[in-house]
Amino acid sequence: AAGVIQSPRHLIKEKRETATLKCYPIPRHDTVYWYQQGPGQDPQFLISFYEKMQSDKGSIPDRFSAQQFSDYHSELNMSSLELGDSALYFCASSMTDNRDTGELFFGEGSRLTVL
Amino acid sequence: GQSLEQPSEVTAVEGAIVQINCTYQTSGFYGLSWYQQHDGGAPTFLSYNGLDGLEETGRFSSFLSRSDSYGYLLLQELQMKDSASYFCAVRNYGQNFVFGPGTRLSVLP
Repeated sequence: AAGVIQSPRHLIKEKRETATLKCYPIPRHDTVYWYQQGPGQDPQFLISFYEKMQSDKGSIPDRFSAQQFSDYHSELNMSSLELGDSALYFCASSMTDNRDTGELFFGEGSRLTVL
Repeated sequence: GQSLEQPSEVTAVEGAIVQINCTYQTSGFYGLSWYQQHDGGAPTFLSYNGLDGLEETGRFSSFLSRSDSYGYLLLQELQMKDSASYFCAVRNYGQNFVFGPGTRLSVLP
C-alpha cells in the first residue's frame, strides 16, 4: 500500500540558508500535517492543511511557511535557518474518516541538520 | 493552554504487562490516540479512544476516562521489539493532534 513520501530524507544546511521539504500524502487523504521533532522530544505540531487550505497553525516560526498544492503534495519552506532548527520533520496525512478514528499516517521524516 | 503528561520511562521484562498513563488538559477534546516510535523511525498508530472505556487490539489495549481526563495504554506479553517510545496524542477542536512528551519503554530479557 502507498505510504506518505517525504523528501529529502536527509538535508544539511548552513546557518541563514534556506531549505524546502516535500511531502506526498497517501492518495485520497485530504489532510496534511507537519510536525517537528527535536532529539528526545515529542513531535511538535507546526501546521496543517485540509483540502489545500491551511486549517490549523501551531508553533511554526515566522521564518517557516508551508503550502499544499493542487496535487495535494505539500512543501515546508524554512528560511534564515538557525542551529535550533536541526530536527526531524515529519509529514502526516489522514482522511476525514481517519481523523475520526484518531489515526495519522506518518512519513519516514526528513532529518535537517543546520551547521 | 494544552498539556499532556506521561511518565518519562518505564522498564519491564519480557512476557510482563505494562501500563503507560496519560493525563491531559486541552482546550478541546475529540479523542485520545496512542503511537509507537522506534529510535529514528516514524510514529506509528496503535490505538484510539473516542469514547470512555477499553479498546483492545491484539496485545495492546487502551482506556479512556473523559471525566478524569485520563487514559492509559496497556501492553501485554511484552516482547523485546516493544522497546520504543510511546506517545499519547489528543485530537482537539483544531485540525491537529497534540502529542504528549512520550514514555520510553525498555523491555529486558
